[in-house]
Amino acid sequence: AQTVTQSQPEMSVQEAETVTLSCTYDTSESDYYLFWYKQPPSRQMILVIRQEAYKQQNATENRFSVNFQKAAKSFSLKISDSQLGDAAMYFCAYRRNSGGSNYKLTFGKGTLLTVNP
Amino acid sequence: DAGITQSPRHKVTETGTPVTLRCHQTENHRYMYWYRQDPGHGLRLIHYSYGVKDTDKGEVSDGYSVSRSKTEDFLLTLESATSSQTSVYFCAISESMWSAGGTDTQYFGPGTRLTVL
Repeated sequence: AQTVTQSQPEMSVQEAETVTLSCTYDTSESDYYLFWYKQPPSRQMILVIRQEAYKQQNATENRFSVNFQKAAKSFSLKISDSQLGDAAMYFCAYRRNSGGSNYKLTFGKGTLLTVNP
Repeated sequence: DAGITQSPRHKVTETGTPVTLRCHQTENHRYMYWYRQDPGHGLRLIHYSYGVKDTDKGEVSDGYSVSRSKTEDFLLTLESATSSQTSVYFCAISESMWSAGGTDTQYFGPGTRLTVL
């Protein structure tokens, strides 16, 4: 079974600084997708970024970028120029893409990010 | 933002009573999902639907049933609520299950906080 591990229950960063959130996963599949979702205090789950495993290039979305290391099964999220609005719980998620029940998102337990002014 | 609403947003009920949560979408997406979120567990899939009247179980389906009579509505029923079902429930939708320009990405509703006393 696939598992997703976020080893940092909490992180903090100063406004305008850069922070990296860690995620590792375990799978025997070669075709899959990885996601970072953000959950602010409003509880809404917001997609931050998505990475296809077959793509070597790391995904970027404005101030958010990932470091995808397929061999190491690592998928970290870097937030540059942190803003107060980035404060939230961040979830890493995995989804296979090869036959069978490939619908399921497997989530990590989350990392709570605090942004200090 | 994807057009997904959930009702009610908050509910308090007593053990043994039936409860129905509603998810409504305006995106005409084929796939809909119900997750529950509990501290220390991230999000876990309860049931999902791959079309009108087509549903299947997720990893934590015991004690829950679902129905989908229209594309836009996906109902989650707790047949006899228990305290262990106190949780935050999220509905999600996706256009497809297979990656086609990211159309398999799941987008989440605002959540329903359910308390079973």
